[in-house]
Amino acid sequence: DGGITQSPKYLFRKEGQNVTLSCEQNLNHDAMYWYRQDPGQGLRLIYYSQIVNDFQKGDIAEGYSVSREKKESFPLTVTSAQKNPTAFYLCASSTRGTQETQYFGPGTRLLVL
Amino acid sequence: KNQVEQSPQSLIILEGKNCTLQCNYTVSPFSNLRWYKQDTGRGPVSLTIMTFSENTKSNGRYTATLDADTKQSSLHITASQLSDSASYICVVSPRGGSYIPTFGRGTSLIVHP
Repeated sequence: DGGITQSPKYLFRKEGQNVTLSCEQNLNHDAMYWYRQDPGQGLRLIYYSQIVNDFQKGDIAEGYSVSREKKESFPLTVTSAQKNPTAFYLCASSTRGTQETQYFGPGTRLLVL
Repeated sequence: KNQVEQSPQSLIILEGKNCTLQCNYTVSPFSNLRWYKQDTGRGPVSLTIMTFSENTKSNGRYTATLDADTKQSSLHITASQLSDSASYICVVSPRGGSYIPTFGRGTSLIVHP
């Protein structure tokens, strides 16, 4: 059963805490992406990776970090430096090349306590 | 700056009626345009993709059109169903450069029985 999964579905963060969002895909896609979605706004790109052990900053990378140690995994860490982390986070993957159709995971909603 | 503008912001229609959503973009040079459907609290799912040479593409009751000269696209939904209630997002990818797609803010469609 191929697809892209994200966990957890909901995540709560305390002030000053780092949290990590998981994203896994078994589609054998080279490229993976992280987006942030806020109400009434379009998706904004946080980070993307087109190959293992390489990634680039998107439009709003400040306060976030990623790693790409395995082709199927692209975790996102929301650090304490991100002052407004409450949002819906979406992970996507595609065959190599950001022009290809992106397949999205179900999303993680992050809330600050 | 690359931009994608969608209208209307929201739309309410009765079940069985048709509707048309609009997308204007300034992305240049143009590579392709996609329409995604996003159910509340879920990840977007691709409906159609069109390249420069295509001016219409259908997927069941969904028909997308593209006028690359005027940089406009539309998504027409025929005989709407309650399950069509969702946000519809227009995404435009550039040719060359970073290849990063630009997302519109989406049109929120509500279909009432």
